[in-house]
Amino acid sequence: NAGVTQTPKFRILKIGQSMTLQCTQDMNHNYMYWYRQDPGMGLKLIYYSVGAGITDKGEVPNGYNVSRSTTEDFPLRLELAAPSQTSVYFCASSWLGPGGNQPQHFGDGTRLSIL
Amino acid sequence: DQQVKQNSPSLSVQEGRISILNCDYTNSMFDYFLWYKKYPAEGPTFLISISSIKDKNEDGRFTVFLNKSAKHLSLHIVPSQPGDSAVYFCAASAPNTGTASKLTFGTGTRLQVTL
Repeated sequence: NAGVTQTPKFRILKIGQSMTLQCTQDMNHNYMYWYRQDPGMGLKLIYYSVGAGITDKGEVPNGYNVSRSTTEDFPLRLELAAPSQTSVYFCASSWLGPGGNQPQHFGDGTRLSIL
Repeated sequence: DQQVKQNSPSLSVQEGRISILNCDYTNSMFDYFLWYKKYPAEGPTFLISISSIKDKNEDGRFTVFLNKSAKHLSLHIVPSQPGDSAVYFCAASAPNTGTASKLTFGTGTRLQVTL
């Protein structure tokens, strides 16, 4: 049982390049999330999805796009990379929405540097 | 606007002693509070949660206390073990209203348990 798998683990991009961060989960969770964590800060929600075909913006969605074509996969797309997007990105999933005894399960993160 | 605050960036405790990690919040709509533990190069893992209708929840060596009037919660680890050395994040969720389907994280407290 792999849980939440993120690829790649590390990536360096040049300003203006685009890339897709992959996230897949094998727990049949409905909810999936993308967070970013900047140094010395807490995790901030970028986008989330409550099920296949349904996505919504979080706190910091600008510069990102997502899609949810299957229950398992929730890729995050950066179209025009900017230095401000240098961060560690975490994908998470849960049975239901956040809170209570429905904890989110996190992947190990993607460390992204934009130079 | 930091709705969940962890004012101590770091804490050092001797093995066998009690570790107390603190968290303050400002949003009275939060109804669940969670603690996550994070090791370097890994994603956060769920530790323990508490509903706003309770004032204490215990799971083995971990106990979370909630003081609603003070908008304060704390995580107690007794006895502390070297393997507890990690960054601990406090998080809170509000009832799902519109785009409120998210956790709000604090900035984390780095706990070091020394021998």
